[in-house]
Amino acid sequence: DTGVSQDPRHKITKRGQNVTFRCDPISEHNRLYWYRQTLGQGPEFLTYFQNEAQLEKSRLLSDRFSAERPKGSFSTLEIQRTEQGDSAMYLCASSHDAEAFFGQGTRLTVV
Amino acid sequence: DQQVKQNSPSLSVQEGRISILNCDYTNSMFDYFLWYKKYPAEGPTFLISISSIKDKNEDGRFTVFLNKSAKHLSLHIVPSQPGDSAVYFCAASALANSKLTFGKGITLSVRP
Repeated sequence: DTGVSQDPRHKITKRGQNVTFRCDPISEHNRLYWYRQTLGQGPEFLTYFQNEAQLEKSRLLSDRFSAERPKGSFSTLEIQRTEQGDSAMYLCASSHDAEAFFGQGTRLTVV
Repeated sequence: DQQVKQNSPSLSVQEGRISILNCDYTNSMFDYFLWYKKYPAEGPTFLISISSIKDKNEDGRFTVFLNKSAKHLSLHIVPSQPGDSAVYFCAASALANSKLTFGKGITLSVRP
């Protein structure tokens, strides 16, 4: 296992379009997290799953955002009707114990 | 409301010297603290962590100190190497294996 994998690495989309990102966690990790990072800020928590159950969602996660983790394996994060303010690095992390391990992120640019 | 604060945006040290990166927190519910290192265009990489029941944890060149009464922790890197140049994030959680709250990060530059 090579770690947390995210796809795509980069995404440029027009405002109003929908985008979907995928995260494949480390295989034995039961927890999966999504974070968002903008320039000059640390990662901000969006949501997390334990196995297939979505246990917590941040107030940052508007109704245009939805995340799933079917069968407790990979996860997808969808953003509908993208806005320029959605431009950010979207990071996925997984954990089994206390330390979360991050993927390389998906850089979203909304034009 | 920044619950985890890294007040210095940058630090520059000479190769071979000690780097001390500071972090303060306000939420007394935090009981697990982590440091991550991040290179441009990559995700954060876990460095070292400490539980609130300890005041020090060491791993090779990296040592984290926790002062619970002051709600302060610091990361010491000795000796500093040019490859340590990166952005360092302090993070905290209220429970181990739960969501992390990050600081804004500090950019460390190690001069050869």
